[in-house]
Amino acid sequence: DAKTTQPPSMDCAEGRAANLPCNHSTISGNEYVYWYRQIHSQGPQYIIHGLKNNETNEMASLIITEDRKSSTLILPHATLRDTAVYYCIGASGNTGKLIFGQGTTLQVKP
Amino acid sequence: GAVVSQHPSWVICKSGTSVKIECRSLDFQATTMFWYRQFPKQSLMLMATSNEGSKATYEQGVEKDKFLINHASLTLSTLTVTSAHPEDSSFYICSAQPDRSSYEQYFGPGTRLTVT
Repeated sequence: DAKTTQPPSMDCAEGRAANLPCNHSTISGNEYVYWYRQIHSQGPQYIIHGLKNNETNEMASLIITEDRKSSTLILPHATLRDTAVYYCIGASGNTGKLIFGQGTTLQVKP
Repeated sequence: GAVVSQHPSWVICKSGTSVKIECRSLDFQATTMFWYRQFPKQSLMLMATSNEGSKATYEQGVEKDKFLINHASLTLSTLTVTSAHPEDSSFYICSAQPDRSSYEQYFGPGTRLTVT
């Protein structure tokens, strides 16, 4: 599984876009980029995943650079309920194994 | 969306006793389930992969005789912490993968284990 690097913490104003970066320079060609988040004392929640192309769903957008060495998760209009630890994970879809790093603690402030 | 439950949500036990934690996929079948452990202020650590009808695959450093995993059906996996000690106190979380072609995993709410 690819090693990922994320900033330990970020702040975002409520209503503004939250852009969470992730470096995954060692990601292999068959590994997807997954994003999960964990709200305090709960199980993680799936957000989005992608391989090469940018992806968007009802929760977020995922922008992956052309060389696939980094990506950015975008929460378009952050709310206080988006305060959580966000994990970027590079993993093969075949095994299903997710190796969590330290993640980014996003604090959304009023 | 897909729901995964865990039971109990919290448990306190005495040192030396065994504790069983259940993980159920409520509205889908899961060939594969995963067990994680999380200590305070730390990230999730994958303990093992549980496959229905076969032996679990443990990550390096995880004692298979201490953490017994059984995946008897497509909707239920259990983790038994045997001869628990205070250092086993942690937040145990399971996840379920609907099928091999699914790229999403659904996580349970976690079980807080405290060993006194």
